[in-house]
Amino acid sequence: GENVEQHPSTLSVQEGDSAVIKCTYSDSASNYFPWYKQELGKGPQLIIDIRSNVGEKKDQRIAVTLNKTAKHFSLHITETQPEDSAVYFCAAAGANSKLTFGKGITLSVRP
Amino acid sequence: KAGVTQTPRYLIKTRGQQVTLSCSPISGHRSVSWYQQTPGQGLQFLFEYFSETQRNKGNFPGRFSGRQFSNSRSEMNVSTLELGDSALYLCASSLGTRLAGENEQFFGPGTRLTVL
Repeated sequence: GENVEQHPSTLSVQEGDSAVIKCTYSDSASNYFPWYKQELGKGPQLIIDIRSNVGEKKDQRIAVTLNKTAKHFSLHITETQPEDSAVYFCAAAGANSKLTFGKGITLSVRP
Repeated sequence: KAGVTQTPRYLIKTRGQQVTLSCSPISGHRSVSWYQQTPGQGLQFLFEYFSETQRNKGNFPGRFSGRQFSNSRSEMNVSTLELGDSALYLCASSLGTRLAGENEQFFGPGTRLTVL
């Protein structure tokens, strides 16, 4: 089955700096890669996703890149703000739409 | 449009008991997936229901079961609870068509289950 790995497990950045979170996946058949943000006491919130026919996608301060050859994808957050502090999960899914998640990374944005 | 709702939000049970959790998907969504979230194992897929049928299943013992009703609401049941079942149980709804652009999953707030 699919295996998704997420590194590092924690990341601390200064407010205004950029943050990059990387994930790798094992199943070359995976074609859908969402990113979720989870705040304390809440369920994961979908913030951006990318499909295998696209190499990059942007939404305001957030972007995701996908390298199918290397089987890795990354989340880029620019101009970080304290409210970006949360746990971020990457995931991968194939034709059956079953999501396999990475372990999550705790992002801390220092004011 | 209302989001995914889960009830109850918190639950305390003792070992050996059984529990039923409920999930109401976003209006128009026909797929409901259940996940278990623990600090050690992260988010793990339990099962997916679509049009009242289990379409996908994760690697959990048979004590974990679910069902979906004709209005797409779903319940999951855990029988003979063990201490290790303590977790946040999340459900996610999607259109379920598996077509590109229609397989986004939206999560509810979860049910926090504590087994004593």
